Amino acid sequence: GESVGLHLPTLSVQEGDNSIINCAYSNSASDYFIWYKQESGKGPQFIIDIRSNMDKRQGQRVTVLLNKTVKHLSLQIAATQPGDSAVYFCAEITGRRALTFGSGTRLQVQP
Amino acid sequence: GAVVSQHPSWVICKSGTSVKIECRSLDFQATTMFWYRQFPKQSLMLMATSNEGSKATYEQGVEKDKFLINHASLTLSTLTVTSAHPEDSSFYICSARATGNQETQYFGPGTRLLVL
Repeated sequence: GESVGLHLPTLSVQEGDNSIINCAYSNSASDYFIWYKQESGKGPQFIIDIRSNMDKRQGQRVTVLLNKTVKHLSLQIAATQPGDSAVYFCAEITGRRALTFGSGTRLQVQP
Repeated sequence: GAVVSQHPSWVICKSGTSVKIECRSLDFQATTMFWYRQFPKQSLMLMATSNEGSKATYEQGVEKDKFLINHASLTLSTLTVTSAHPEDSSFYICSARATGNQETQYFGPGTRLLVL
């Protein structure tokens, strides 16, 4: 699906709080999902991934939840830190193994 | 491991000139590389898929004669923006997928192009 937006939604949280970033994906045939973090002027950085046969996966301070029924993906960041401030993108992979990126969410962590 | 570099990191050029951007996988071989374009406050949009030794596959709406892609080796893909115009100003990002891996893409740091 298309992922174009002129205004990134912004999530503002206090340092130490938990953050939840949501993403709706478009293709019910997508079988692999990835969350990326992008800092200003840099390329995307892999955070965590999940396959469609799972509904939850945990990493260090991060958890990804997948709800295939409503085609929804979320990224939870525990104890958010100032260094977590960035734009976060979800991405889905379809059969031809190309990445389609979501529109992104800017996370701002207030000290 | 799995480092992807891009060169140059930023470039300013005059309208009508051509600009070449290199994408290299430094410590792995990449049969497939991808080129993305990202405008300010927008997401990454796939431009083309570059396959070593064969022609690139372009996404709908991307002019193949304007954005020339060459993937002559397993560690290098180049994107040439021909006759660049101000509307081509953008952040160009490449990614590389290791040979034998169908999913994981490692991203380069991006190249910012400004066409005057």
